[in-house]
Amino acid sequence: DAKTTQPTSMDCAEGRAANLPCNHSTISGNEYVYWYRQIHSQGPQYIIHGLKNNETNEMASLIITEDRKSSTLILPHATLRDTAVYYCIVRVAGTSGTYKYIFGTGTRLKVLA
Amino acid sequence: DGGITQSPKYLFRKEGQNVTLSCEQNLNHDAMYWYRQDPGQGLRLIYYSQIVNDFQKGDIAEGYSVSREKKESFPLTVTSAQKNPTAFYLCASSTGLAGTYEKEQYFGPGTRLTVT
Repeated sequence: DAKTTQPTSMDCAEGRAANLPCNHSTISGNEYVYWYRQIHSQGPQYIIHGLKNNETNEMASLIITEDRKSSTLILPHATLRDTAVYYCIVRVAGTSGTYKYIFGTGTRLKVLA
Repeated sequence: DGGITQSPKYLFRKEGQNVTLSCEQNLNHDAMYWYRQDPGQGLRLIYYSQIVNDFQKGDIAEGYSVSREKKESFPLTVTSAQKNPTAFYLCASSTGLAGTYEKEQYFGPGTRLTVT
């Protein structure tokens, strides 16, 4: 199964862009990269996902390198409410046509006032 | 409102007792998942199910059991064989159909289990 590697923690000034890197060097060609975030003691919240192309939605942008071995989540204007643990996840094929999500340990992002 | 419910939010049990955590969804999702989270750690997959009456072991299935008798429900039993059951348990669901485009997993609020 593909594994992801993320920095343990990062700080970002409020109003600045937060760039969260993720390494997934063993990813296979048909495995998607997902990003979720988790605020303390709550269920994770979906942010964005992609396969090959860069993606953007109302929350964030996802930049995937051409070789797909790494990606970066960009929060364009971080606010204090963006303080959370951010997980970079690879969705892999399980048994009998199922899918499962492989979570890493995440990056604890702290947005500073 | 559509979503996933887990109850209770906090659960306390004595060591040696089996305990069942509930997970219900009204999203009409085919796939459901159970994760365990320990303090300061990421999520680890316990079991997952693609369809009714079928489920697969995740990375840490030992000491746990599940059933999937209804599409809406995927209860998790933490048995006395689980050596360190105290943790935060999260249930999730997704459309999960093989070969189809899937946007995301939806997570429940979690159950914090404490075994003493």
